[in-house]
Amino acid sequence: DAGVIQSPRHEVTEMGQEVTLRCKPISGHDYLFWYRQTMMRGLELLIYFNNNVPIDDSGMPEDRFSAKMPNASFSTLKIQPSEPRDSAVYFCASSTGQYQETQYFGPGTRLLVL
Amino acid sequence: GNSVTQMEGPVTLSEEAFLTINCTYTATGYPSLFWYVQYPGEGLQLLLKATKADDKGSNKGFEATYRKETTSFHLEKGSVQVSDSAVYFCALPRNSGNTPLVFGKGTRLSVIA
Repeated sequence: DAGVIQSPRHEVTEMGQEVTLRCKPISGHDYLFWYRQTMMRGLELLIYFNNNVPIDDSGMPEDRFSAKMPNASFSTLKIQPSEPRDSAVYFCASSTGQYQETQYFGPGTRLLVL
Repeated sequence: GNSVTQMEGPVTLSEEAFLTINCTYTATGYPSLFWYVQYPGEGLQLLLKATKADDKGSNKGFEATYRKETTSFHLEKGSVQVSDSAVYFCALPRNSGNTPLVFGKGTRLSVIA
C-alpha cells in the first residue's frame, strides 16, 4: 500500500496568495483528518471527514481556510488569502471506520508564507 | 472530552541508556491508547497501541502498559539507539467512538553516541 499521499511536500508563497494542499487517503479508509503542526501550538486538528462528509470543522482557524473531499480518494485544504502566521506543517491522516482504529499520517506539507 | 498530559522534553540520553517518557490521561471509559513517533522531516507513524486495561503494546523494543489504576501509559525502552532520536506523542481518541485523536505536546528525544 502506498500510504497517505500529500502534495506538495514543500510550498513557499507570498502573503495574499492562494494555497491548495492535496491529500490522497489510503484506499478503503472512511475517515480523513487534516492537522496542522507548529512549534507554538503543537498538533491541532483542523477538520475531519467521514465518507466524504465534513463532520467537525471547529478547528479551522478562520474563513480563510476551507476543505473539501469530492470523492473517497481525494481531499484539498485551501487557504485564501494566505498569511505568514499560516506557516506550518500540514498533515493529512486517514483511518478505517472501525472503532478507535489507528490513524495513518501522510508525510506532510511544509508551508512557508512570506 | 478526553485529554492527555505528556512529560516535557527535550530528553537527551546516551546510547544504551534506559528511556521512560511519562504519559497520563483523563478519559471517559476505557479508550484505546497510542504512542506515535515522528522522525525528522516525516509524518507521525504509529509506534504501538493498547486497546484495554493491562494490555501491553510493544514494537521496536519500546513498550507501554495500559494502567487504568494510575491512568497512565508510559513509554519505555531498555536500551536506546541513536536511530531512536525523534519526537514521541502520546494520544487517545477525543471522545468515545471512532473520533479524532487528541495528542500530547510531544517529547523530543535525542540519543548521543
